[in-house]
Amino acid sequence: AQSVTQLGSHVSVSEGALVLLRCNYSSSVPPYLFWYVQYPNQGLQLLLKYTSAATLVKGINGFEAEFKKSETSFHLTKPSAHMSDAAEYFCAMYSGGGADGLTFGKGTHLIIQP
Amino acid sequence: EAGVTQFPSHSVIEKGQTVTLRCDPISGHDNLYWYRRVMGKEIKFLLHFVKESKQDESGMPNNRFLAERTGGTYSTLKVQPAELEDSGVYFCASKGIQGNTGELFFGEGSRLTVL
Repeated sequence: AQSVTQLGSHVSVSEGALVLLRCNYSSSVPPYLFWYVQYPNQGLQLLLKYTSAATLVKGINGFEAEFKKSETSFHLTKPSAHMSDAAEYFCAMYSGGGADGLTFGKGTHLIIQP
Repeated sequence: EAGVTQFPSHSVIEKGQTVTLRCDPISGHDNLYWYRRVMGKEIKFLLHFVKESKQDESGMPNNRFLAERTGGTYSTLKVQPAELEDSGVYFCASKGIQGNTGELFFGEGSRLTVL
């Protein structure tokens, strides 16, 4: 079955520290993978996407993610956290065929400590 | 260019009442999706329209939910009668026909609270 797992419902980092949000997927076919962010009182905004081109994907606001097929992972990173990064982050997968929508992880709240 | 807009942003109703949520997709986007997030759970797919046709409604919870997209423009999602477990945030998303990488553009969501 297709699924997306995000490890940790809450992640807390200090301002200026490395951000690492984990995402693992399960898919019977090569997937497309996405990270979305939701700031308070806003909609879901696309951060970055992997669509079978380069495995290291750069997104907005200094975020990047690396697709690792051997580990079925697509972890999100940012070298230096900023207070404005505080939000909820969602990893999502599109496998095509079958159910026609995105499969989401449960989301991770990123908390930035001053 | 306007993004995906949803109305209302928040609705509070009592069990047994009816609520209708509306979504206006990005102009020209033939694909329109509804998703729902119940508190503490993942965002789940409800259904997918291509223009005015339902392409996939496998995620609709039960027959108390009715989605329409007359004319292939905006869409409505009606819950009748509402139950407590229907509370959550309902997201609408749209996508154009160019490519098929799955990228969706989301609205801000409609928060439904059933008391």
